[in-house]
Amino acid sequence: GAVVSQHPSRVICKSGTSVKIECRSLDFQATTMFWYRQFPKQSLMLMATSNEGSKATYEQGVEKDKFLINHASLTLSTLTVTSAHPEDSSFYICSAGRDREGEQYFGPGTRLTVT
Amino acid sequence: DQQVKQNSPSLSVQEGRISILNCDYTNSMFDYFLWYKKYPAEGPTFLISISSIKDKNEDGRFTVFLNKSAKHLSLHIVPSQPGDSAVYFCAASGGSGGSNYKLTFGKGTLLTVNP
Repeated sequence: GAVVSQHPSRVICKSGTSVKIECRSLDFQATTMFWYRQFPKQSLMLMATSNEGSKATYEQGVEKDKFLINHASLTLSTLTVTSAHPEDSSFYICSAGRDREGEQYFGPGTRLTVT
Repeated sequence: DQQVKQNSPSLSVQEGRISILNCDYTNSMFDYFLWYKKYPAEGPTFLISISSIKDKNEDGRFTVFLNKSAKHLSLHIVPSQPGDSAVYFCAASGGSGGSNYKLTFGKGTLLTVNP
């Protein structure tokens, strides 16, 4: 299989604090991982592309100082939401692909609620 | 500017009948297309994909058709089953099937299969 995990599955934090979300490819190595967010009844919006060993590439309109991405190994990427505000509350999903195949495999998502 | 469009937010079909989900795209650089199925509060699950060099790809009950001249693709599910009820996302990539290329998603179509 191609399993991608995320931790935590849901988190509630207070406004102004930081939250770290982990994305792991469990049975394959991923040189590239992607981070998405999804608002209710909306599409998945790509936030950034995480490249192992190098800086992430952010989509237009995504604040790189607010959403810190680290891809420290071929199986782990982390997204840190810094100084979270209620408008950051969303469903965050990561994905990873195996080089030989075109499809990406998605994690189960993390529900972030900022109070 | 929405590059991948799923104009039907919902579709309801009877069990055993065919479900046809449609997707249109505007970016002529897209050359790889995927369909994902998603349940609430979960990450998307890959269903089927098609490269732009093909016009049809079949996998069990799922068939994807691509009409490049019309920039249109469709997912056919036959026979439809109640367990198919979910949101279906169409996604496109300009990476010639490489899994390290970012995906652009449509807004999704909620499919309900009635027993």
